[in-house]
Amino acid sequence: AQRVTQPEKLLSVFKGAPVELKCNYSYSGSPELFWYVQYSRQRLQLLLRHISRESIKGFTADLNKGETSFHLKKPFAQEEDSAMYYCALSGSGAGSYQLTFGKGTKLSVIP
Amino acid sequence: EAGVAQSPRYKIIEKRQSVAFWCNPISGHATLYWYQQILGQGPKLLIQFQNNGVVDDSQLPKDRFSAERLKGVDSTLKIQPAKLEDSAVYLCASSLGTGGFRHTEAFFGQGTRLTVV
Repeated sequence: AQRVTQPEKLLSVFKGAPVELKCNYSYSGSPELFWYVQYSRQRLQLLLRHISRESIKGFTADLNKGETSFHLKKPFAQEEDSAMYYCALSGSGAGSYQLTFGKGTKLSVIP
Repeated sequence: EAGVAQSPRYKIIEKRQSVAFWCNPISGHATLYWYQQILGQGPKLLIQFQNNGVVDDSQLPKDRFSAERLKGVDSTLKIQPAKLEDSAVYLCASSLGTGGFRHTEAFFGQGTRLTVV
């Protein structure tokens, strides 16, 4: 079974402060990890994926297989970063690659 | 490019009634997903299609939920009869789904908010 855990429901930080959204996963094989974001009144959309190893909107995430984590980080938070963030895992199950989401963390950046 | 279209946006029904949701994926996307998102939780996969075939419906409550994908394009999700606990946002998503079904970026629709009273 595959599972994604996001321990924080809500994270509040001041503008300019560093941000770290935590994500831990459980999966027996080799997973593919993603961060999806949902801004207010907008659709859920992909933010970044671990295989791309890129920085999007200043956010980065490193897959740590030893700690089974995929935390999302940004050195300086901006007000426009306020949104719901979902960590997701793609693994194999029932012959397909399910995309399993965590419960999400609401990031609130205080001006 | 045009995004994933869903209708209706909102629906209120009484328990034991039936309801249907419609999804039009991005043109050319082989994979289509239906997710259920209950308030305060992350999206939960209900069913995944590859073209017009079901590749995963392990979390679909088959006694009351059904889904089909016509000609590998549009899809409908039906609930019959509805229960109070079915109140949620139903999200449709699509992806290219090429290369051995390995997950490619999923593009989501706006969702349908269902309230069962």
